[in-house]
Amino acid sequence: KAGVTQTPRYLIKTRGQQVTLSCSPISGHRSVSWYQQTPGQGLQFLFEYFSETQRNKGNFPGRFSGRQFSNSRSEMNVSTLELGDSALYLCASNGGGPVYEQYFGPGTRLTVT
Amino acid sequence: GESVGLHLPTLSVQEGDNSIINCAYSNSASDYFIWYKQESGKGPQFIIDIRSNMDKRQGQRVTVLLNKTVKHLSLQIAATQPGDSAVYFCAENYSGNTPLVFGKGTRLSVIA
Repeated sequence: KAGVTQTPRYLIKTRGQQVTLSCSPISGHRSVSWYQQTPGQGLQFLFEYFSETQRNKGNFPGRFSGRQFSNSRSEMNVSTLELGDSALYLCASNGGGPVYEQYFGPGTRLTVT
Repeated sequence: GESVGLHLPTLSVQEGDNSIINCAYSNSASDYFIWYKQESGKGPQFIIDIRSNMDKRQGQRVTVLLNKTVKHLSLQIAATQPGDSAVYFCAENYSGNTPLVFGKGTRLSVIA
């Protein structure tokens, strides 16, 4: 069974631009969570989607948004990029059990210049 | 691979020695705790978990200890190997469907 895949793996954007990241969960998993990982703040929860509905949301500004499609694939979007948005963005999928039973993808490294 | 963190505390241990990684958690109501390992270029991987009604749990070469009185969690790795070099995170959870809250992480460096 394939693991969680994230595309692209690396991305460089300019301040003010927007970006869309994609996550394909493990086959059969309906829950997808997104995290931002930075050296200063560590791993911080962005949001979780389950069956195309946002189930949980972290404490991030409205520039960060996401969605989930009927095939459980998820995208997150960051608009009006700031330098501080440079981070590793991790996606985790869950098979429908408690949120802690999740499997992480390798992440997308976003660099904002 | 990706740099997980430049500001993490680092623990350096000799190959074959035991490692102890500590974590202070924040919510006294948290009822589930997990340790993750993150290698360069990869996402976090589950190592071991423990529920709040336990104070110790053992896995293969790893043991997690929970002290609820002082909100402290530790991960012990026996006979540390070079492949154990990674960043280790603890995470806490309160009531199943709320998001995990992660600690800042500790970088384990194994000296061969």
